[in-house]
Amino acid sequence: EIVMTQSPATLSVSPGERATLSCRASQSVTSNLAWYQQKPGQPPRLLIYGASTRATGIPARFSGSGSGAEFTLTISSLQSEDFAVYYCQQYNKWPPGTFGQGTKVEIK
Amino acid sequence: EVLLLESGGALVQPGGSLRLSCVTSGFTFTSHAMSWVRQAPGKGLEWVSAITDSGDGTYYPDSVKGRFTISRDDFKSTLYLQMNSLRAEDTAVYYCARDSPVLSYWGQGTLVTVSS
Repeated sequence: EIVMTQSPATLSVSPGERATLSCRASQSVTSNLAWYQQKPGQPPRLLIYGASTRATGIPARFSGSGSGAEFTLTISSLQSEDFAVYYCQQYNKWPPGTFGQGTKVEIK
Repeated sequence: EVLLLESGGALVQPGGSLRLSCVTSGFTFTSHAMSWVRQAPGKGLEWVSAITDSGDGTYYPDSVKGRFTISRDDFKSTLYLQMNSLRAEDTAVYYCARDSPVLSYWGQGTLVTVSS
């Protein structure tokens, strides 16, 4: 099973600043990686798939990059509604589609 | 608008059974694979099962294989998860999601608590 490791566990950022979240796979997942956002009390929402393609309705301030085993989610200018937990998920070797443990983006 | 509405979560004793349902609307149900994902209290996400758009393929991780069964009723646009031999570690919010393996839309979830 492919293990996904996200860092940092918590990221403290001021509104308007850039946030950079990392996701590392235990082996190459090519570009078969997705990112999800989850706010408290809500279900996750798909942000990015194929490592860099934004899902329907996702603002352009969210961008994904990387391939192989190293990936990054960048939020260019944090808005108040972006403070949440972010999960990466690999689906190159599926089943199972394994998730990272999450990165919490909190207000600094 | 894509809508997914789960139901069926409850408090159940270890060894018990439960069937979750997910009623969908706003898309052509028969054109999409469907999935279940769970989240233990305060924890991360774990994929639980998936079924192909035609229903002829089902998939499970080892943690639930042989205990959980996913199915679909295309006439009712409804997804099901039959859970047997439940354990304390199955306690979680269970989400229904459209598509697999990328989970495009999610329901609000239903809470399953396994405890004596």
